Amino acid sequence: NAGVTQTPKFQVLKTGQSMTLQCAQDMNHEYMSWYRQDPGMGLRLIHYSVGAGITDQGEVPNGYNVSRSTTEDFPLRLLSAAPSQTSVYFCASSYTLGQGVYEQYFGPGTRLTVT
Amino acid sequence: AQKITQTQPGMFVQEKEAVTLDCTYDTSDQSYGLFWYKQPSSGEMIFLIYQGSYDEQNATEGRYSLNFQKARKSANLVISASQLGDSAMYFCATPHNYGQNFVFGPGTRLSVLP
Repeated sequence: NAGVTQTPKFQVLKTGQSMTLQCAQDMNHEYMSWYRQDPGMGLRLIHYSVGAGITDQGEVPNGYNVSRSTTEDFPLRLLSAAPSQTSVYFCASSYTLGQGVYEQYFGPGTRLTVT
Repeated sequence: AQKITQTQPGMFVQEKEAVTLDCTYDTSDQSYGLFWYKQPSSGEMIFLIYQGSYDEQNATEGRYSLNFQKARKSANLVISASQLGDSAMYFCATPHNYGQNFVFGPGTRLSVLP
C-alpha cells in the first residue's frame, strides 16, 4: 500500500491564482480530511469527508473547496490564492480501531507559498 | 468543543534521560481518546501512542508511555531513554465529529542534547 499520497510536495503561487492540491489513499478508508499547519500551531481542519459524495466544513474552510467523487481521491481547491494561505497542507484518512475510536494516517504534506 | 493545551513550547533533555511532555484536554464527550504524534524536521506526522478514556491502564509503546490522569484531564507523554532521533515536534490530539477528525494542540518542540 502507498498509504496517503499528496502532490505536489512544494508549490509557489501568485496572489489570485487558483490551484488544486491532490490527495489519494489506497486503504479504502471512508473518512478523509484536509488540515493546514501554520508556524507555532498545530493542525487545523479545513474540510472533511465521511464518504464519496459527502463533504463538510471544518474549522478554517474559507477560500477552499473540496469534492469527493471516489473513495480514493479528495482534492483541495484554492479558488483565489492569498498570502494568508501560505502554509503546509496535510491530507489524512481515518481508520477505525473499534469502539468509536479512529486512527488517522497522514500524507507527507504540501508546502504552499503564496506571494 | 474539544480543546487541547500544550503549555511547553520547547523542551530540552539530555540523551538517555527521560522527559515528560504535558497535555491537558477539555472535552464534554463521555468516551474519547488521546493521541500523540511526532513530527520530525522532515515534516511527516508519525503516530506514537493512543489512550482511550475507559482504558484502565496507562498506554505504553516501547519507550513511549502515557501518564493519563482522567480527573485532572491530562495525558502526558513520557519518553524514556531519550535518543537524538527523538528531537522533533510533538502534538497531542483528540478526535471529534465521531472520530473522523482531530483537534490538535500547538505542539512542543523537543531537543535532545548529546
